[in-house]
Amino acid sequence: DGGITQSPKYLFRKEGQNVTLSCEQNLNHDAMYWYRQDPGQGLRLIYYSQIVNDFQKGDIAEGYSVSREKKESFPLTVTSAQKNPTAFYLCASSISGQGHNEQFFGPGTRLTVL
Amino acid sequence: AQSVTQLGSHVSVSEGALVLLRCNYSSSVPPYLFWYVQYPNQGLQLLLKYTSAATLVKGINGFEAEFKKSETSFHLTKPSAHMSDAAEYFCAVRDTSGTYKYIFGTGTRLKVLA
Repeated sequence: DGGITQSPKYLFRKEGQNVTLSCEQNLNHDAMYWYRQDPGQGLRLIYYSQIVNDFQKGDIAEGYSVSREKKESFPLTVTSAQKNPTAFYLCASSISGQGHNEQFFGPGTRLTVL
Repeated sequence: AQSVTQLGSHVSVSEGALVLLRCNYSSSVPPYLFWYVQYPNQGLQLLLKYTSAATLVKGINGFEAEFKKSETSFHLTKPSAHMSDAAEYFCAVRDTSGTYKYIFGTGTRLKVLA
C-alpha cells in the first residue's frame, strides 16, 4: 500500500537537545511538506520541498532544519533554538506543479519537551 | 494572497441533524479548494476537493460541499450527522501564485450529541 509513514509516533526531548523526525513516502510524489499543529491554530507550514535537493522555508521555519537528499524522505530536525517545540508535527506529500492535487498526510509525531 | 476562513471553531449538532461547516475563501483566480477531516492524534484525510468541474462536490462519508463564487464560499454539509463524524475539519486552498503551498483554515471541531 502506498502512503506516508512518520516515526516515532511519540517523542520526548529534553531542553537543549536536537531531535529528528522521520517522514517517508512511497507515493512517488515530488513535493513534501512539514506542518506544526497547535490547538486552535490549524496547520502552520514549517518547510516544504518541490524537488529533491531543494527546499523552502515556510511561515515558521526558525528553529527547524530539513534535508531532501532522496525523493522518498524529508526528515525534520527540531533544534535547541526552537523555543517552544512541544506540538503535533505532520508530514505531507503531493504531486508537484499546478493543479487540484491534494496532499496526503502521515499519521503525525507528537513531540513533548520535558 | 489566498486565504481561507472557517467560521466557528466549535460546532455541536445532534445525531441525525444537518451538519454545516462554513468556509470562505479569498482568491483573485479560480481556487483549488479542499476539505480534510482529522480524528484525534491522527493525520488529515481528504474528504473532497473542488476542481471546477462541478460546483456541487460529493465526498466520502456522505459529505458534500458547494462552491459559490458569488459568496466566495465552500461550505461542507452532511444531511444527517453520525456519532462517528465527531472530528476536526479543515478547509484549505492551494496557492496558485507559484509557490504551490496549501493554506489551511484554523479548523472546526464538530461534536455530535446523542
